Amino acid sequence: GNSVTQMEGPVTLSEEAFLTINCTYTATGYPSLFWYVQYPGEGLQLLLKATKADDKGSNKGFEATYRKETTSFHLEKGSVQVSDSAVYFCALSDRTGFQKLVFGTGTRLLVSP
Amino acid sequence: DAGVTQSPTHLIKTRGQQVTLRCSPKSGHDTVSWYQQALGQGPQFIFQYYEEEERQRGNFPDRFSGHQFPNYSSELNVNALLLGDSALYLCASSSTGEDGYTFGSGTRLTVV
Repeated sequence: GNSVTQMEGPVTLSEEAFLTINCTYTATGYPSLFWYVQYPGEGLQLLLKATKADDKGSNKGFEATYRKETTSFHLEKGSVQVSDSAVYFCALSDRTGFQKLVFGTGTRLLVSP
Repeated sequence: DAGVTQSPTHLIKTRGQQVTLRCSPKSGHDTVSWYQQALGQGPQFIFQYYEEEERQRGNFPDRFSGHQFPNYSSELNVNALLLGDSALYLCASSSTGEDGYTFGSGTRLTVV
C-alpha cells in the first residue's frame, strides 16, 4: 500500500540556519504530494503541494520538489525563524482512491534565537 | 470566509460511553473526511463522506461511524469508547476534483 517515510525529529536549529526535512514515499501510480504544518494545539495547515513530477511547491520561503526518480519530496528553507517551530507532516494523495491522504509520522522542528 | 469548524474543541468521556463529534466544512466544499491523530503520530484516515454516503473507509472498526447531512456538515460517532480512542480527531473538507484538503483545528478526545 501507499506509505510516507519522514526523517525522525526533533530537528533543532538556530535562527537563520538552513533547513532540510527528508521525505520519501511509496505509491502506485502518480500521487500528489503535500507538506502540512501543525503548530502547538492546532490542526493542520497546508504549507505547499506538488501534483506531478518535477513540480516545485513553494510557500513562505519553504520549497519542495517532486522527484519521481528518487520518490522524494524533501522540504527546504534557506533561513528558518523561531516562528517556524512546529511539526511538519509529509503526505501523499492517491488520486485513484478519492484523494485520501496518507501521512508520515511528522518531524518536529525547534528553532532557537 | 469561514474555514472548517469543529465542535467541541475538547471532550472527556468514560470508557464504554459513546461520543459524537461535529464538523462544518469550508464554504463550497462537498466532501468531508475524518482523521484520527494519536499523540506523536501522523493523522490516520477514518472515512470520507460525499453526497451523504460513506465513500471510502480506513482500517477502523465498526464502532466508528459517521453521517453527512444535506448541507455537507458531518458527524463522527464512536461507540463503546476505549482508552486507545484518546486522540485528536481532525475533520478535513475538499471539493470534488480539487487536490488537497482544508483541515479544522480538531477535537481533543480524552477517554478515562
